[in-house]
Amino acid sequence: EAGVAQSPRYKIIEKRQSVAFWCNPISGHATLYWYQQILGQGPKLLIQFQNNGVVDDSQLPKDRFSAERLKGVDSTLKIQPAKLEDSAVYLCASSSRVSPGGYNYGYTFGSGTRLTVV
Amino acid sequence: ELKVEQNPLFLSMQEGKNYTIYCNYSTTSDRLYWYRQDPGKSLESLFVLLSNGAVKQEGRLMASLDTKARLSTLHITAAVHDLSATYFCAVDLAGTASKLTFGTGTRLQVTL
Repeated sequence: EAGVAQSPRYKIIEKRQSVAFWCNPISGHATLYWYQQILGQGPKLLIQFQNNGVVDDSQLPKDRFSAERLKGVDSTLKIQPAKLEDSAVYLCASSSRVSPGGYNYGYTFGSGTRLTVV
Repeated sequence: ELKVEQNPLFLSMQEGKNYTIYCNYSTTSDRLYWYRQDPGKSLESLFVLLSNGAVKQEGRLMASLDTKARLSTLHITAAVHDLSATYFCAVDLAGTASKLTFGTGTRLQVTL
């Protein structure tokens, strides 16, 4: 089974520039997540999609970050304009949805995109 | 808001020694994950604990879950250098909130 694909693997940009990351989840996984992992910290959830709808974006800095999941499959995360503190690894994950009231299963993480803002 | 805390944050231990990493969380849950992360790499799933009293073992690592105490432990037996990595616990909540909330991480360094 193919894993969660992310691109690019690395990106270096200057502050105030824009950047976009792409994620292709495991086939059939309805739920997709974007996490931000700052060096030395645990991953922090930015946004969660169920199919192509947003379930939770409470920790997404909406003044500069945006995300979409067209047709309930691939997703893109964009930062515009970038700040120095956005330097981090951005991890995409997907999972199978069990049922309302249940737990998601099969969390699978991609390799991540390492963003450096200079 | 769910809080997940790990301790210690950093652990340096000699090969052959035993130690335990603790994961405390603030909201009722009976599903907890342990992950390993090597420098520059993504997250590798180690264990999924699905109920109170669950215990799982793989090689020199053993994880347990006490949902009443809201506590999970990751026990390392006779550590070897290859176990050097950062270990994260992550808690899942049921229902529409089902997602992983990660702990702060424990950086383990096993010295020869």
